[in-house]
Formats: sequence, C-alpha cells, structure tokens
Amino acid sequence: NAGVTQTPKFRILKIGQSMTLQCTQDMNHNYMYWYRQDPGMGLKLIYYSVGAGITDKGEVPNGYNVSRSTTEDFPLRLELAAPSQTSVYFCASSYPERGRNTDTQYFGPGTRLTVL
Amino acid sequence: AQKVTQAQTEISVVEKEDVTLDCVYETRDTTYYLFWYKQPPSGELVFLIRRNSFDEQNEISGRYSWNFQKSTSSFNFTITASQVVDSAVYFCALSGFNDYKLSFGAGTTVTVRA
Repeated sequence: NAGVTQTPKFRILKIGQSMTLQCTQDMNHNYMYWYRQDPGMGLKLIYYSVGAGITDKGEVPNGYNVSRSTTEDFPLRLELAAPSQTSVYFCASSYPERGRNTDTQYFGPGTRLTVL
Repeated sequence: AQKVTQAQTEISVVEKEDVTLDCVYETRDTTYYLFWYKQPPSGELVFLIRRNSFDEQNEISGRYSWNFQKSTSSFNFTITASQVVDSAVYFCALSGFNDYKLSFGAGTTVTVRA
C-alpha cells in the first residue's frame, strides 16, 4: 500500500493563477481531509469528505474548492491564488468505526505551495 | 470547541537525555480522542499514538511513553534516552467523539544534539 499520496511536492504560483493539488489514497478509507500548515502553527482543516459525492467546509475554506467523485481521490482546487495561501498542504484519510466520525488520520507527504 | 496547548515551543537536549513534551487540552466532550504525531525534517506527518478518553492507562512503546491524566487534562509524551533521529516537531491533537477534524497544538520542536 502506498497510503496517501500527494502531487506535486512543490509548486510556485503567481498571484491570480489557479491550480489543483492532487490527493489519492489506496486504503479504501471513506473519510478524507485537506489541512494547511502555516509556519510555526499546527494544522487547520480546509475541507473534508465523508464519502464519494459528499464534501463539507472546515475551519478555513475560503479560496478553495474540493470535489470527491471517487473513494480514492480528493483534489483541492485553488482558483485565484493569493500570497495568504502560501502554506504546506496536507491531505489525510481515515476510516472511522461505525457510529463515530473520528478516528486516526493518516497523512500524505504534503505539498509546499508558494504564491508570489 | 476543542483546544490543545503545547506550551513548549522548542526543546534542545543532548543525546541519551530524556525529554518530556507537555500537552494540555480543553474539551466539553465526555468522549474524545487524543493523538501524537511526529513531523521529521523531511516534512511528513507520522502517527504515533491514539488514546481514548475512557482509557487512562499509560502506554509505552519502545523509548516512547505517554502519560494521560484526565484530572489535569494532560497527555504528555516522554522520549527516553533520546537519539538524533528523534529530532522533529511533535504535535498533540484532539478530536471529539463526533468531530470530523483534529484540533492540533502548535507543536514542539525537539532538537537532539549528538
């Protein structure tokens, strides 16, 4: 199992450009998440999905969009990149036991994004 | 709302010293989960442990041990006989029973010098 994979590893964008961060997991996890990590801070949730076709906002969703057409993939879209979106982005997945919404989340290696 | 406080921003030790990382949390949930993750210099997040709120047993895994005390809302992490490979940022995180997200502390940077 590769676990959670993310592409690209690094990216530099100009202000106003758009891009999609890719995330794939091969663990058959139904829940998937996108977090961002700013320097010296913990992670903050951007969006999450509890299954194919179902997504919802986290703490910091502004400027981002997501879709979940398959169990395996959960891409994150930045439409009009801004310097405030310079961050490291982590995708994660989990498989909560029945009756729960939470369980151990397994993270991808991250994408380091710089917006200039 | 869930809150996690890691009061120590940075800790520097010499190899073979023990190091304890403090984690204090706030939650109104009666059932919740606590986690520790390691972020080495390579940047990935590595899961270390999950603890359920109804299980207050301490846990040891090799050189790592965890002390969960519900009475003081703390979930501290000790590395015994530290090694250079332990150098990393360590995050404590909390999730309520029906939360979707993990609430992370700001992290503690551990530097182990040879």
